[in-house]
Amino acid sequence: RKEVEQDPGPFNVPEGATVAFNCTYSNSASQSFFWYRQDCRKEPKLLMSVYSSGNEDGRFTAQLNRASQYISLLIRDSKLSDSATYLCVVNPVGNTDKLIFGTGTRLQVFP
Amino acid sequence: GAVVSQHPSRVICKSGTSVKIECRSLDFQATTMFWYRQFPKKSLMLMATSNEGSKATYEQGVEKDKFLINHASLTLSTLTVTSAHPEDSSFYICSAEPTTKSYGYTFGSGTRLTVV
Repeated sequence: RKEVEQDPGPFNVPEGATVAFNCTYSNSASQSFFWYRQDCRKEPKLLMSVYSSGNEDGRFTAQLNRASQYISLLIRDSKLSDSATYLCVVNPVGNTDKLIFGTGTRLQVFP
Repeated sequence: GAVVSQHPSRVICKSGTSVKIECRSLDFQATTMFWYRQFPKKSLMLMATSNEGSKATYEQGVEKDKFLINHASLTLSTLTVTSAHPEDSSFYICSAEPTTKSYGYTFGSGTRLTVV
């Protein structure tokens, strides 16, 4: 089983739609979780950290379910500029600096 | 703040030659930097953890003699791909985390290596 798994997509949605991505992780003791955004042929950029209580940043909402070992990202009112690959990233316990990346979920927002 | 500069952004080299990639933290000090490799439509895979003033820690399956890492200062880590082969062609990305841990992990802009 992969350490971090994501549906690769692509998710094709119209502008204004709400879209949700899920991610599962295998190490139940993992401590830190993030969502990164990666544009084509570019480096990943931190979108938001994921906190146990869930957190929101504008149109983006991240949630963590430790019991089921999954993380979600909800994007409301999708914009064309949201088109990118969204990477689920986990920081395993025991190594505070190491990141494990999911393969990413491709989102394409169309007019 | 928390800018990581990576150079070069793109390089084409002949088989058998060596290529050096630089990763610099511009406005913070990084005792630890990370080198990743990404194949097309694949996830980033950690290759090694670069530690300032000591030997790098390589992930399983990564040849340390082929991918030489030097972290001589708190702002610079280099990755040298030695005796490059076409299968080494990939997107290499470095990252660093400020000690303040307030910006998350910052990535360099990546280096696209093509070995011909």
